[in-house]
Amino acid sequence: AQTVTQSQPEMSVQEAETVTLSCTYDTSESNYYLFWYKQPPSRQMILVIRQEAYKQQNATENRFSVNFQKAAKSFSLKISDSQLGDTAMYFCAFMIDQGGSEKLVFGKGTKLTVNP
Amino acid sequence: EPEVTQTPSHQVTQMGQEVILRCVPISNHLYFYWYRQILGQKVEFLVSFYNNEISEKSEIFDDQFSVERPDGSNFTLKIRSTKLEDSAMYFCAVQTGQFGYNEQFFGPGTRLTVL
Repeated sequence: AQTVTQSQPEMSVQEAETVTLSCTYDTSESNYYLFWYKQPPSRQMILVIRQEAYKQQNATENRFSVNFQKAAKSFSLKISDSQLGDTAMYFCAFMIDQGGSEKLVFGKGTKLTVNP
Repeated sequence: EPEVTQTPSHQVTQMGQEVILRCVPISNHLYFYWYRQILGQKVEFLVSFYNNEISEKSEIFDDQFSVERPDGSNFTLKIRSTKLEDSAMYFCAVQTGQFGYNEQFFGPGTRLTVL
């Protein structure tokens, strides 16, 4: 079974600074996807970024980037130039790539607070 | 990003009552999911649905739960006899199924409160 671990229950950062959220996962599969979802106080789940396991290049989306270390099974999220609107719960998630319907397995989340 | 709506946004019910939660995705979605998030906890998979049948279900998805897509549009989750522990946010998620496009997009959720 796949597991996702987020070891930081809470983090805080000053506005405009950079913060890194950690995520590790455990799987015996070779083809999979990794995701970061953001959940603001509204509790909407918003996709932030995704990474295909077969790609060596780290994904980036504007101020969000990942550090994907496949051998170490690590998938951290870096948020640059943090903004107040980045305050939210961040969930790391894993999905096996079987070309069809596959569930997401989530970590327990990291609560990020951006301070003015 | 695909738009997914869910109704109702908040449902309050008495223990033992039946509830139906609805998800209305835009067309071109092939895969449908329900997830649950008890307050303060992580998001948990309930069930996946493809080609009008269940693809996979978790141990949470017992006989009290059922899903269907009766009109080819709305995707519903029914809880036959609610329990206090069913109180949670319920998220519908959709996936287009296009090759190499495996993102799941979530609806805004239905907050279910069982009294």
